[in-house]
Amino acid sequence: DTEVTQTPKHLVMGMTNKKSLKCEQHMGHRAMYWYKQKAKKPPELMFVYSYEKLSINESVPSRFSPECPNSSLLNLHLHALQPEDSALYLCASSQGSPWKGYTFGSGTRLTVV
Amino acid sequence: AQSVTQLDSQVPVFEEAPVELRCNYSSSVSVYLFWYVQYPNQGLQLLLKYLSGSTLVESINGFEAEFNKSQTSFHLRKPSVHISDTAEYFCAVSEGGGADGLTFGKGTHLIIQP
Repeated sequence: DTEVTQTPKHLVMGMTNKKSLKCEQHMGHRAMYWYKQKAKKPPELMFVYSYEKLSINESVPSRFSPECPNSSLLNLHLHALQPEDSALYLCASSQGSPWKGYTFGSGTRLTVV
Repeated sequence: AQSVTQLDSQVPVFEEAPVELRCNYSSSVSVYLFWYVQYPNQGLQLLLKYLSGSTLVESINGFEAEFNKSQTSFHLRKPSVHISDTAEYFCAVSEGGGADGLTFGKGTHLIIQP
């Protein structure tokens, strides 16, 4: 298995809703990442988990809450989002160093209404 | 801190013509460089990467990139493009030896004209 799987592929949520994005990989990678990509923009790093511990938080608002239950799973819990949070959310994984590169999932397209 | 500059936001090219997408980076330490491609409504796919060794790296679909340390560049080239190469191309850099994540350039939209 050489993939990063993200679910759901599309999500529409209201500003008062609570939802979660899920990311899964079975490549034995020890680092997992969340990126946010607005339309016609590059991906921006949000969070990094290394060996299931949060190692980087790029000053992301607290309405985004990451969780890494085990080495294969990464969640992003969403609460009280704003319309400007609408974007493609990409998950990636790596072996913890750049040598083998980073594998990206196909993303969750989130629309906040 | 590292940064990546992609000088062209959009590059139109006729089919079967050669193309070069430019990428320059800035970093105070050794870097690892990547090119990713993103097709509409999809995630990112790794095209090729430079980690060390030979400065010319090739991908399986005909793209190549050359690392030039003196010019801090990592330009992407293909000698003959196809309609299916229409996509957004991102140059990215990773500075650390650990799990630091990638810093992306703003992207270049490659438009192949028949």
